[in-house]
Amino acid sequence: QITLKESGPTLVKPTQTLTLTCTFSGFSLSTSGVGVGWIRQPPGKALEWLALIYWDDDKRYSPSLKSRLTITKDTSKNQVVLTMTNMDPVDTATYYCAHRPSPRVPPDYWGQGTLVTVSS
Amino acid sequence: VIWMTQSPSLLSASTGDRVTISCRMSQGISSYLAWYQQKPGKAPELLIYAASTLQSGVPSRFSGSGSGTDFTLTISCLQSEDFATYYCQQYYSFPWTFGQGTKVEIK
Repeated sequence: QITLKESGPTLVKPTQTLTLTCTFSGFSLSTSGVGVGWIRQPPGKALEWLALIYWDDDKRYSPSLKSRLTITKDTSKNQVVLTMTNMDPVDTATYYCAHRPSPRVPPDYWGQGTLVTVSS
Repeated sequence: VIWMTQSPSLLSASTGDRVTISCRMSQGISSYLAWYQQKPGKAPELLIYAASTLQSGVPSRFSGSGSGTDFTLTISCLQSEDFATYYCQQYYSFPWTFGQGTKVEIK
């Protein structure tokens, strides 16, 4: 059974750096083709894809946020970490991590999400 | 960037109705389109991928069609548990993009 869970601060101040951890089970990020991505959703708004990391450490980022994002993985810990610098109130959102089983399939399992509020 | 136009944004329907939601792409994406259902306070759940392939465990009243730039999600006989928000997503190329969502509400 595949599960993912996001963890990190619920409140950050403007200009701070956000670090979120996705801890997963039921699959290995060393398996060929597998990826883990991050998607966010501001309150009452649509989903926005942020970043994805593959089993081979290939990384993809949203062009509009690329300068602020870093995605890394720790295969031994079954974790993927997303950092976002220079946080702003418009970054207030629920952040989800999700499992991608192969390059020809979209994310199929998602974490429950974690709400991050950016406020002074 | 591949832009998506999802319509309608709000759909009022009754239990038992047949409903359709559309998603149009700014350029062709073959069949690399997914549909998700999201209920309040919950993560999105994958319903359909490859435009028409039903994800395991999803009821057969859900179906998807289309290829290239125009896609449709159909719910053949709306059930009470289907009142939710639906999103399309293209995974043909990065950056992945999502539609703006269609909220299906009780009429």
